[in-house]
Amino acid sequence: KAGVTQTPRYLIKTRGQQVTLSCSPISGHRSVSWYQQTPGQGLQFLFEYFSETQRNKGNFPGRFSGRQFSNSRSEMNVSTLELGDSALYLCASSPTGGALSNQPQHFGDGTRLSIL
Amino acid sequence: GENVEQHPSTLSVQEGDSAVIKCTYSDSASNYFPWYKQELGKGPQLIIDIRSNVGEKKDQRIAVTLNKTAKHFSLHITETQPEDSAVYFCAAGGSQGNLIFGKGTKLSVKP
Repeated sequence: KAGVTQTPRYLIKTRGQQVTLSCSPISGHRSVSWYQQTPGQGLQFLFEYFSETQRNKGNFPGRFSGRQFSNSRSEMNVSTLELGDSALYLCASSPTGGALSNQPQHFGDGTRLSIL
Repeated sequence: GENVEQHPSTLSVQEGDSAVIKCTYSDSASNYFPWYKQELGKGPQLIIDIRSNVGEKKDQRIAVTLNKTAKHFSLHITETQPEDSAVYFCAAGGSQGNLIFGKGTKLSVKP
């Protein structure tokens, strides 16, 4: 069974630009969550999608958005990029997820975003 | 807010020794506690998890214990090997369906 696939693996952008990251979950998984990983803040939750709807959201500004397609694939968009957005962006999938879920979340290898 | 504290931040052991990493969590509603191993250039890999109705779980050289009353959970790795060297993260299931992660422990196993 294929794991979670994230593309691209690396991206370099400049301040003010926007970027779109892609995530394909494990086959059959319908919940997709996004996390930002930085050396200073660690792993922080961005949002979770289920059945093409954003079900939960972390404490990030509105510049961070996402969507999910009918095949459960998800994209994440960051607009008006800032230097502080440089991070590893990770996607995780689980069967159905949800509040206080006890289902394992499986991560992809992430997209490394660098802002110049 | 929801928080997970993890200690120590770095841990160095000799090959064959045991390693223990400890975490505490704040949200008493959390009922799921996974552990992840992250190697350089890779995403976190789930290595073991425990649910709140269980006090201990073991998988070969890895074991986790959970004390819900004290809101503590720990990872124990026995007979460590150089390939166990990585960053380990504990996490607790949050009220938003998210995982709340500790800051990580960098484990170094010296041959």
